[in-house]
Amino acid sequence: DIQMTQSPSSLSASVGDRVTITCQASQDISNYLNWYQQKPGKAPKLLIYDASNLETGVPSRFSGSGSGTDFTFTISSLQPEDIATYYCQQYDNLPLAFGQGTKVEIK
Amino acid sequence: QVQLVESGGGVVQPGGSLRLSCAASGFTFSSYGMHWVRQAPGKGLEWVAFIRYDGSNKYYADSVKGRFTISRDNSKNTLYLQMNSLRAEDTAVYYCAKDHQHSSSWPQSLGPWGQGTLVTVSS
Repeated sequence: DIQMTQSPSSLSASVGDRVTITCQASQDISNYLNWYQQKPGKAPKLLIYDASNLETGVPSRFSGSGSGTDFTFTISSLQPEDIATYYCQQYDNLPLAFGQGTKVEIK
Repeated sequence: QVQLVESGGGVVQPGGSLRLSCAASGFTFSSYGMHWVRQAPGKGLEWVAFIRYDGSNKYYADSVKGRFTISRDNSKNTLYLQMNSLRAEDTAVYYCAKDHQHSSSWPQSLGPWGQGTLVTVSS
């Protein structure tokens, strides 16, 4: 099975800061990587698919990059409504696998 | 707009069974693969199962294979998850989610998701 490792597990940043989360796959997954946002008590929401494509309606401050085994998710200017846990997910092989999540808080 | 509404959760004893349903609206249900994903209390996301848009292919996580069955009724726009031989470690919020890709034969991206239904396995 492919393992997905996110870092950091949590972070605290100020409003307006640039926030970066990394996700590493245990083997090459090409660009078969998605990013999700889960706000407290809510269902996850797809933000980025195929490593770098912004889902319709998602603010442009969110972006993704990478291929192979190393991927990056960026919030260019952190907003209060971005407080959430973010997950990466691979679909190169079954079972689909999520990272353990990165909890983003406001400093 | 797309709406997914799960139901059927509740408290069940170990070894028991439960059937979850997911009522879909706002899109052509018969054209999209569908997923079940679960989240244990305070934990991360775990993919459970996927069914192809026409029901011809199904895939499962090893943790549920042989105990859970995913199915769909395209005439009723409804997805199901039959859960048998339930264990304490199956306790979680169960979400249904639409696959992002039209006519997908392979599970890819998940969105949107329903609000989830809580399954508690306890004596």
